Amino acid sequence: ETGVTQTPRHLVMGMTNKKSLKCEQHLGHNAMYWYKQSAKKPLELMFVYNFKEQTENNSVPSRFSPECPNSSHLFLHLHTLQPEDSALYLCASSQEAPGDYGYTFGSGTRLTVV
Amino acid sequence: GDSVTQMEGPVTLSEEAFLTINCTYTATGYPSLFWYVQYPGEGLQLLLKATKADDKGSNKGFEATYRKETTSFHLEKGSVQVSDSAVYFCALSGGSQGNLIFGKGTKLSVKP
Repeated sequence: ETGVTQTPRHLVMGMTNKKSLKCEQHLGHNAMYWYKQSAKKPLELMFVYNFKEQTENNSVPSRFSPECPNSSHLFLHLHTLQPEDSALYLCASSQEAPGDYGYTFGSGTRLTVV
Repeated sequence: GDSVTQMEGPVTLSEEAFLTINCTYTATGYPSLFWYVQYPGEGLQLLLKATKADDKGSNKGFEATYRKETTSFHLEKGSVQVSDSAVYFCALSGGSQGNLIFGKGTKLSVKP
């Protein structure tokens, strides 16, 4: 148990489905992140939230929609995905300024789009 | 922009062999440097870190020294075990928000 919990661990969805990924942390952190991890590619930062406010969106397609209702919870809403969106989606959290402490990651959601 | 370059894998070693995974970085300013490890089916775990030049981070027998003159943060372990088999990521805190920027990862396989 890392302190960051992601559900579900595995998800298979069709291209016309709508689903949501959930991330929860009780570490007292104020920043939360979504990363995409695909085979043979570097980790891709998708979204950053600081004190519930989105501070970074790295040109992510609109079929991915994040939501951060409070500092402990982060969601990633998915709709009309493409097969190339299949990947491991990692959530992380940190103090407001992560430089000296790094991030705490969840175990990820393995997403397969069929 | 800021970036991290780490050696391509996979790296295959026998148990008790010496390990080095090279990592170099490009950054403006003075970033903190990190090594993360990802075991199969898991997320990333912080292995060690260093926050300023000449600092040495260490954990579980792994070490890395922040070398500003060579912009490097190489990971070393004197005697690897089968349980060290994993993917290792080098990272720095950079960008305008101080977010972590990761290398591509190096897969290590240790054979008995």
